[in-house]
Amino acid sequence: DTEVTQTPKHLVMGMTNKKSLKCEQHMGHRAMYWYKQKAKKPPELMFVYSYEKLSINESVPSRFSPECPNSSLLNLHLHALQPEDSALYLCASSQDSPVTGYEQYFGPGTRLTVT
Amino acid sequence: QKEVEQDPGPLSVPEGAIVSLNCTYSNSAFQYFMWYRQYSRKGPELLMYTYSSGNKEDGRFTAQVDKSSKYISLFIRDSQPSDSATYLCAMSEGLTAGNNRKLIWGLGTSLAVNP
Repeated sequence: DTEVTQTPKHLVMGMTNKKSLKCEQHMGHRAMYWYKQKAKKPPELMFVYSYEKLSINESVPSRFSPECPNSSLLNLHLHALQPEDSALYLCASSQDSPVTGYEQYFGPGTRLTVT
Repeated sequence: QKEVEQDPGPLSVPEGAIVSLNCTYSNSAFQYFMWYRQYSRKGPELLMYTYSSGNKEDGRFTAQVDKSSKYISLFIRDSQPSDSATYLCAMSEGLTAGNNRKLIWGLGTSLAVNP
């Protein structure tokens, strides 16, 4: 089973709202990722958690706040977003091991629209 | 020059054709190579994951890596209309765990298989 689930599928929020995106995997993977993808562009890495610790932050604005409550769950808290933040937000996970591999499996994404 | 170059297409082929998709790269440190398929408004789906040079086959899909030429390919045999999607190549250096977590992406090739 290589399933990563994300909720909600769609989200519309105003610039003053606070909302959260959720991601879950039950593959025993130890790394989880948040990506942002704009139309006709490849995914753009935002954050990586490895063994529940923040490993990579690609200089993402503070209006995006990640959280990893446990090894299966990943949240992305959103506050005071801008219209240009409208995009497909993707979660991914990987084994994160030189023995078992680093290939990333993606969820279906949350389509976010900021009005 | 981008680190990874991929012709965006669009590529249009008749059903049953053999499709060849390619990426070139400039960083000789890349060791892990991936191909993802992405349907419109969905998350990327991992098709092939290869390490270093050589070929890997999975059903109708064959991935080739030629590190000496810094060139990777994905071949799709007996293409079907359901193969119509964007195909993204991605790669990572593999020298450290941190480098493995950061994928360098091509722009994606849009493929249409016509019945």
